[in-house]
Amino acid sequence: EPEVTQTPSHQVTQMGQEVILRCVPISNHLYFYWYRQILGQKVEFLVSFYNNEISEKSEIFDDQFSVERPDGSNFTLKIRSTKLEDSAMYFCASSAPSGVVFETQYFGPGTRLLVL
Amino acid sequence: GNSVTQMEGPVTLSEEAFLTINCTYTATGYPSLFWYVQYPGEGLQLLLKATKADDKGSNKGFEATYRKETTSFHLEKGSVQVSDSAVYFCALTKGAGGTSYGKLTFGQGTILTVHP
Repeated sequence: EPEVTQTPSHQVTQMGQEVILRCVPISNHLYFYWYRQILGQKVEFLVSFYNNEISEKSEIFDDQFSVERPDGSNFTLKIRSTKLEDSAMYFCASSAPSGVVFETQYFGPGTRLLVL
Repeated sequence: GNSVTQMEGPVTLSEEAFLTINCTYTATGYPSLFWYVQYPGEGLQLLLKATKADDKGSNKGFEATYRKETTSFHLEKGSVQVSDSAVYFCALTKGAGGTSYGKLTFGQGTILTVHP
């Protein structure tokens, strides 16, 4: 069964450093998302991406964040200058449009980011 | 804005007990409703969904009915197993005609522990 994959599974970085989290969505999907889950808290929406542009972003997704689909398979989240409060589990998800506007989102296993 | 409220956890049950996890929502229009499950050390997996009022989603013995009149989507299982121990998330997304591009809004999650 097709699945969303994410790399790395864990990343430790120093505050102020740039990190890039990578995702490979399911191959025929067209909508892509990033969410994050700070330990013990809700899963929070960050950004959605369709047709090579951001469709929607939350207030969390400030200028320190960016997303890119550099080729036909990868979808990346970049944090330019990490802060301690960026420590969280980051989930990538993808979905395919169907007759209904929104289809089920399939999630990857997550990247646990620790900022020291 | 949209919001999802789940019952406070954690929930601890004995094997074969009946499970209910309450979920209520606030949303404009006609959202689609979901239950996701997160097993220890893993990502989010879709458990079941319902896309319109009175629909019942079901999977692996779990059920939830979309109740528009009470804005609820409670998760139930008649006989839980140790392997059901996980975190359960209720979530919603806007239905057809919305502008949220499938952004999921999650509840805070309910930790379920089932003892033999």
